[in-house]
Amino acid sequence: DAMVIQNPRYQVTQFGKPVTLSCSQTLNHNVMYWYQQKSSQAPKLLFHYYDKDFNNEADTPDNFQSRRPNTSFCFLDIRSPGLGDAAMYLCATSSGQGENSPLHFGNGTRLTVT
Amino acid sequence: GNSVTQMEGPVTLSEEAFLTINCTYTATGYPSLFWYVQYPGEGLQLLLKATKADDKGSNKGFEATYRKETTSFHLEKGSVQVSDSAVYFCALGSTGGGNKLTFGTGTQLKVEL
Repeated sequence: DAMVIQNPRYQVTQFGKPVTLSCSQTLNHNVMYWYQQKSSQAPKLLFHYYDKDFNNEADTPDNFQSRRPNTSFCFLDIRSPGLGDAAMYLCATSSGQGENSPLHFGNGTRLTVT
Repeated sequence: GNSVTQMEGPVTLSEEAFLTINCTYTATGYPSLFWYVQYPGEGLQLLLKATKADDKGSNKGFEATYRKETTSFHLEKGSVQVSDSAVYFCALGSTGGGNKLTFGTGTQLKVEL
């Protein structure tokens, strides 16, 4: 089945130690998103790619970076994780930028910072 | 800016009970509205959507009507099942171009036998 796959499901990192979360898709969608979801809060958009064009949300900290080497893969890099960065990170895709294009989500990566 | 307000959970119901989860929004323009569902251990899935005022989205027995006059998009189901236990997110599409969603905080639904 075509899908969005996030690896790993659970990631533990140490305070200040760089960590990379991965997302891949077999849907061949143009747009890929990274959302941060903290406990009992709404998922918050960090950034998205339309093809190779990177779009950062204004309030996304510089500590968060992203790479999209090709259509299928997108990575979230956290350069120096703090305790406040512990959250579920959700990757999603959509076929285009039209408002009615539904988002397809992966199962998320739960990040713990020790 | 755009925002979404959902009723707080958890909501606990008996099987076959009627469900309403309230959602109201603030937005400029007329965005599309969505309900997403997140089953335990899984990602968010689109449940239903409505793209303009008075549209009714429906799927799997769930319904929601886009009410411009009350800026609401309440989710309803006539008879819930244990398998409906999940977290439900109301979301607002972007109005300024691009395909970005603004989510509510989610409402956890627990259905018991």
